[in-house]
Amino acid sequence: KNEVEQSPQNLTAQEGEFITINCSYSVGISALHWLQQHPGGGIVSLFMLSSGKKKHGRLIATINIQEKHSSLHITASHPRDSAVYICAALDSGTYKYIFGTGTRLKVLA
Amino acid sequence: EPEVTQTPSHQVTQMGQEVILRCVPISNHLYFYWYRQILGQKVEFLVSFYNNEISEKSEIFDDQFSVERPDGSNFILKIRSTKLEDSAMYFCASSGDIYEQYFGPGTRLTVT
Repeated sequence: KNEVEQSPQNLTAQEGEFITINCSYSVGISALHWLQQHPGGGIVSLFMLSSGKKKHGRLIATINIQEKHSSLHITASHPRDSAVYICAALDSGTYKYIFGTGTRLKVLA
Repeated sequence: EPEVTQTPSHQVTQMGQEVILRCVPISNHLYFYWYRQILGQKVEFLVSFYNNEISEKSEIFDDQFSVERPDGSNFILKIRSTKLEDSAMYFCASSGDIYEQYFGPGTRLTVT
């Protein structure tokens, strides 16, 4: 079983739709990181969370430590949001990141 | 805003050759990391480095790999005697504490 699971694996949305990507983890964590990977392969950090909720522009990330679950929401999605979104959990025992397999998002105009 | 940089962006090498992947971490950071992502797979931890020595390494990081910080700015990953299966994106990251890591743009390594 993967220690960090993301769902869905693939997501196609129409421009303007509200999008949710989920991340569940089984290890104890110190923090959870949401990353965005564009087709060229580069990784951009979106959020680091240890509790509660963070918002940046149209992006919102939440985490529920008790349920070991985090969500990334995109409001008013746009084709430029098309990318792979990766959840990475910082293991509180080893302080190493454990990565999810990513959610491939495609937003159609 | 300070950022982690990596060079080259793409490296093509022949099987058996040595490659050097370079990273310039954010200047006041103390912790440095290398990760690998084989095409179509998830990102995997390779090694972490602190205080001029390896602090953690994964089972992937065998004798074929080495890291060093030869001066105050560069953080280098060397891969000796490259194999086809070493083809991947290699990401460097740095952090000022043990929590938030900042990722570089990656080096795409292609072994032919």
